[in-house]
Amino acid sequence: SQKIEQNSEALNIQEGKTATLTCNYTNYSPAYLQWYRQDPGRGPVFLLLIRENEKEKRKERLKVTFDTTLKQSLFHITASQPADSATYLCARRDSSASKIIFGSGTRLSIRP
Amino acid sequence: KAGVTQTPRYLIKTRGQQVTLSCSPISGHRSVSWYQQTPGQGLQFLFEYFSETQRNKGNFPGRFSGRQFSNSRSEMNVSTLELGDSALYLCASSVGQLTGANEKLFFGSGTQLSVL
Repeated sequence: SQKIEQNSEALNIQEGKTATLTCNYTNYSPAYLQWYRQDPGRGPVFLLLIRENEKEKRKERLKVTFDTTLKQSLFHITASQPADSATYLCARRDSSASKIIFGSGTRLSIRP
Repeated sequence: KAGVTQTPRYLIKTRGQQVTLSCSPISGHRSVSWYQQTPGQGLQFLFEYFSETQRNKGNFPGRFSGRQFSNSRSEMNVSTLELGDSALYLCASSVGQLTGANEKLFFGSGTQLSVL
C-alpha cells in the first residue's frame, strides 16, 4: 500500500517568516494530496486539496505545491502568525484500499 | 449548517468492557469514516461506511466494528477493551465515497477514550 511521510515532527519559526512543511509519498502519485490543520483536542480541519496535474494552489496566505518527480508536496504559510500554531497533516487517497491515509503531522510553533 | 457531532466527548472504561461511540455527519453527507488517533501511531483508518454498507476496513482486530443507519448516522463499537485502545476516536463525513475524485473529510471533535 502507499505511504505518506512528514519528516519534520516539529518546526519553530518567528512570526512574520514563511513556514514550509514537507510531505513525501511513496509508490505512484496519488490523484490528489490534501492538507489539514489540527488544534489540540480537536479534529483536523481541511485546508487545501491539490491535484496531481496542478503544480501549485493558493488560498490567502497558504500555498501548496505538488512535485510528482520528487514525490513531494510543500505547504507554505507566508507572513506567519502565532495563531497559525497547530499540527498540520498531509493526506492522500490510498487507491488500492479506497481510504484516505494521513501523515504523522508536523507541529508548527510560531513565536512572537 | 451543523458540523459533525460526536458523542460522548470523553469516556472512561475499564479493561474487558465494551463501548459504543456515536457520530452524526453533516446533513447531506453519505459517507462516514472512523479514525483512531494516538501520539505514537497518528491517525489510523478504521473503516468507512457509505449507504449503510461498510466499504473498507483498516488493519484493526474484529473487536472494532461499526454500522451506519439510514439517516447516515454511524456508531462504532469496541468490545473487550484493552489498555492500548486508549485513544482519540475521530469520525469524519464526506459527501460521497472516498473513492471519489474530490472527497475531503469533515471531522468531528472526537471521543477521547481512556481504558483503565
